[in-house]
Amino acid sequence: RKEVEQDPGPFNVPEGATVAFNCTYSNSASQSFFWYRQDCRKEPKLLMSVYSSGNEDGRFTAQLNRASQYISLLIRDSKLSDSATYLCVAQAPGGYNKLIFGAGTRLAVHP
Amino acid sequence: GAGVSQTPSNKVTEKGKYVELRCDPISGHTALYWYRQSLGQGPEFLIYFQGTGAADDSGLPNDRFFAVRPEGSVSTLKIQRTERGDSAVYLCASSSGTSGRSETQYFGPGTRLLVL
Repeated sequence: RKEVEQDPGPFNVPEGATVAFNCTYSNSASQSFFWYRQDCRKEPKLLMSVYSSGNEDGRFTAQLNRASQYISLLIRDSKLSDSATYLCVAQAPGGYNKLIFGAGTRLAVHP
Repeated sequence: GAGVSQTPSNKVTEKGKYVELRCDPISGHTALYWYRQSLGQGPEFLIYFQGTGAADDSGLPNDRFFAVRPEGSVSTLKIQRTERGDSAVYLCASSSGTSGRSETQYFGPGTRLLVL
């Protein structure tokens, strides 16, 4: 079983749609979680951190459920520019800033 | 300011050859990470440096892989006797190294390695 699992998609949605991605992690000792965005043939870039209390940044909302070991990302009012791969990330337990990435969920927003 | 840079951007080599991949972190960042990303997968951790020392090399797949950071800035990932399965994008990231856990990691554009 992979440490971080995501639905690979692709999710094909029209502009303006609301789309949600889910992710599960296996190590209950993981403390910090993130969503990264990766455009085709580019490097990953931090989209947002994920907190148990929820975290909202404009059209993006991230949520963590520790009891279920489940992370979500909600994108409202999708834009063409949101088309990318979204990587769910858990920080490995322990003293170092080692990130464990999921395989990513592809999003394609069409006109 | 300048971000993380990596050279070369692309490298084609033959099976059995030796390659070196270079990473120049953001100026002042003491923490440096190497990851490997295969097609259709997320990045996979290889090694983490704090300053000059490798604090965690648990992700290096075998002893053909080695990385150094002699002056605490630029790092080189070295792969000996390359195999076709080593073909991937090798990503370098850096973070400030001063605020403990959960620091934002900034990634470079990667080196695409193809082993023929």
